[in-house]
Amino acid sequence: SQQGEEDPQALSIQEGENATMNCSYKTSINNLQWYRQNSGRGLVHLILIRSNEREKHSGRLRVTLDTSKKSSSLLITASRAADTASYFCATDAMAGNQFYFGTGTSLTVIP
Amino acid sequence: EPEVTQTPSHQVTQMGQEVILRCVPISNHLYFYWYRQILGQKVEFLVSFYNNEISEKSEIFDDQFSVERPDGSNFTLKIRSTKLEDSAMYFCASSQLHGNTEAFFGQGTRLTVV
Repeated sequence: SQQGEEDPQALSIQEGENATMNCSYKTSINNLQWYRQNSGRGLVHLILIRSNEREKHSGRLRVTLDTSKKSSSLLITASRAADTASYFCATDAMAGNQFYFGTGTSLTVIP
Repeated sequence: EPEVTQTPSHQVTQMGQEVILRCVPISNHLYFYWYRQILGQKVEFLVSFYNNEISEKSEIFDDQFSVERPDGSNFTLKIRSTKLEDSAMYFCASSQLHGNTEAFFGQGTRLTVV
């Protein structure tokens, strides 16, 4: 299966600290996307990184991709209570027309 | 900013009934998807749709399910003879292309089968 795994499953930090979440996947990809999901709500697109990119920034978000290790990380700097949510990676495999979601990391930022 | 919209936000139905979940994808997007998320579990792929036909479907997407793009703007998921285990959050998504473009998701329809 292509489906990825995020770790940790749950992360609790103090406001102002940085949060790092990791995603691993199994087969070759076109790109990898990170999404945020507030409890019971929709999936909000955060950032896309292409297979030929190694690092990408968007505001307080920094994403890295290591295709040799089939892994990605999402760093949220200077976290805020509003960052409390579940974070998912989704891979766009080279074969097929679907996105494969990981299991998610539940982030709690304590004010 | 364009967004994917889904209606209704919450649907409660009796077991055995048929439901239709509606989605309006972003207007210049060409690929459409349905995903579901059972409470507390991962987001699971159901089906992708391109050029007015299903391009890929998962093993979950059996004869109970069907999709349609009836009028060039809506994208619907029909679930026939609903079962208790169909209770989940159903997400519609669209992307301009497939491969190296973002997929944007709607807010979801929470389906509760009683």
